[in-house]
Amino acid sequence: GAVVSQHPSRVICKSGTSVKIECRSLDFQATTMFWYRQFPKQSLMLMATSNEGSKATYEQGVEKDKFLINHASLTLSTLTVTSAHPEDSSFYICSAGRTGETDTQYFGPGTRLTVL
Amino acid sequence: DAKTTQPPSMDCAEGRAANLPCNHSTISGNEYVYWYRQIHSQGPQYIIHGLKNNETNEMASLIITEDRKSSTLILPHATLRDTAVYYCIVRPKAAGNKLTFGGGTRVLVKP
Repeated sequence: GAVVSQHPSRVICKSGTSVKIECRSLDFQATTMFWYRQFPKQSLMLMATSNEGSKATYEQGVEKDKFLINHASLTLSTLTVTSAHPEDSSFYICSAGRTGETDTQYFGPGTRLTVL
Repeated sequence: DAKTTQPPSMDCAEGRAANLPCNHSTISGNEYVYWYRQIHSQGPQYIIHGLKNNETNEMASLIITEDRKSSTLILPHATLRDTAVYYCIVRPKAAGNKLTFGGGTRVLVKP
């Protein structure tokens, strides 16, 4: 199979603190990972494309200094929400691109962030 | 910008086949049709994808019209656990190409 994990699955933090979310491809290597955000009753919105060994590419309107992305290995990408505020509360989901015959992206289970 | 159009919602009867339509009239020659579904509060789950031929796997069948401007995802025997939002997405095949999600179809399987 192609399994992607995220940690933590749920986090509650105080306003002004930073939160790190990990995304791991467990049984395959992923040169590219993607980070999405989903607000209630809305579709997934791509935040950034994370490339192993290089800087992430952010979508328009996403603050790169607020959402720090690190993709230091072929199986791990991290998203750090810096100085989180209540409006950052959302469901954050990563996906990993499995290079090969199918080139299919597989998604993690998501991380529910609540900022108080 | 999503390149696909799907009905916002549909109901299906448990045990019956569920046919989910998707229009992608501006699809390019190198773009595949991917289907994902998202069960409430979970990450999207890959279902199937295809280029121009019909495809079938253990989860579903994908029927793509000859002109590739539309497709239909078929769940052969819908169960209550198939209740989810189903997304039809077109994109080039390479793993580095991002997925752009539209509104999807909210499918409710009823007993």
